[in-house]
Amino acid sequence: DSGVTQTPKHLITATGQRVTLRCSPRSGDLSVYWYQQSLDQGLQFLIQYYNGEERAKGNILERFSAQQFPDLHSELNLSSLELGDSALYFCASSVVGSTDGYTFGSGTRLTVV
Amino acid sequence: GESVGLHLPTLSVQEGDNSIINCAYSNSASDYFIWYKQESGKGPQFIIDIRSNMDKRQGQRVTVLLNKTVKHLSLQIAATQPGDSAVYFCAEGGNTGKLIFGQGTTLQVKP
Repeated sequence: DSGVTQTPKHLITATGQRVTLRCSPRSGDLSVYWYQQSLDQGLQFLIQYYNGEERAKGNILERFSAQQFPDLHSELNLSSLELGDSALYFCASSVVGSTDGYTFGSGTRLTVV
Repeated sequence: GESVGLHLPTLSVQEGDNSIINCAYSNSASDYFIWYKQESGKGPQFIIDIRSNMDKRQGQRVTVLLNKTVKHLSLQIAATQPGDSAVYFCAEGGNTGKLIFGQGTTLQVKP
């Protein structure tokens, strides 16, 4: 157990729908990062939050959004889902805003049908 | 653009042999590199890291080598075991908080 908790583990939904993925960081970690892992793209950075504030953005689609709450858990919202959004979505956390001490959760597998 | 790549998509080794997994990166300004192991159904797991002011770092059964001249990174696993079978990723990190991952090498260990 890495200490980073992601729910749900699996999600199957239809095209056009909206889903919310949840991440609880490791105790004491202030930064949360979201990554998408698809078969043809590898692991791609989506977005980073640090202590509630957005800090960095990667190749995140406009249909996707995220936030980090006062208790430091984070949610990734995916809307108007397309078949191509099917992927593994990973959350990671670290104490500070750098990549030192990065710890990944076990991911949410999203299947869009 | 940014890229961190691995040379071989699949590496097959005999149990007990040493494994070497390679990675090439393109950003010469990168100063921090990490190797991750990903088993099926799990998230990436930290193996070892190295900063750009070093050229070698050793852990338990693993060694990372960094050659900044040719922008090359390698992971050596000694006495490879069946439990080492996984996908291995190199990643480039730093103060930005963003990790740039390579495509991954699948290590298959034959008994």
